[in-house]
Amino acid sequence: NAGVTQTPKFQVLKTGQSMTLQCAQDMNHEYMSWYRQDPGMGLRLIHYSVGAGITDQGEVPNGYNVSRSTTEDFPLRLLSAAPSQTSVYFCASSERSGPGYEQYFGPGTRLTVT
Amino acid sequence: GQQVMQIPQYQHVQEGEDFTTYCNSSTTLSNIQWYKQRPGGHPVFLIQLVKSGEVKKQKRLTFQFGEAKKNSSLHITATQTTDVGTYFCAGDYTGNQFYFGTGTSLTVIP
Repeated sequence: NAGVTQTPKFQVLKTGQSMTLQCAQDMNHEYMSWYRQDPGMGLRLIHYSVGAGITDQGEVPNGYNVSRSTTEDFPLRLLSAAPSQTSVYFCASSERSGPGYEQYFGPGTRLTVT
Repeated sequence: GQQVMQIPQYQHVQEGEDFTTYCNSSTTLSNIQWYKQRPGGHPVFLIQLVKSGEVKKQKRLTFQFGEAKKNSSLHITATQTTDVGTYFCAGDYTGNQFYFGTGTSLTVIP
């Protein structure tokens, strides 16, 4: 199993550009999520999905869209990039939501918006 | 909104000394997870605590969940250089969303 994969590893965008961060898992996990990590802030939940076709907002959803058309994939779209979105983005998955299920994190995407 | 506070932000210890990081929530948690992140890496799951007053051990690591399920701690006995990294707690209130603490960065001086 490859686990959770993310592409790209690094990305530089100009303000106003859009892009999609890709996330895929091959463990047949129901629950997937996106976090951003900023220095001194820990990880903050952007969006999550409890299954294909179901998504919901997390703590910091503004400026991001997600969709979950398959169990395996959970892309994160930046609609119009802003410097405040410069961050490291982690995708995670777990077998189910709720107690008892550890989250497996991908290697991350380091995004810089100039 | 929900928030999980974690202290200290940084900790430098001599190799062989003990280390503790604390997490606190103003409201009752459903469960709490602990993660370790090495520099440049991604968070890796360590353990989950669900029951009030629960204590779990993994070799030199001891995890505790408070009786009121509002606080938790991670204690490392006799630190080693391999323990270097940032330790995060992640609190869950509803079963769908985890709120991460700001992390404690541990430096171990050989």
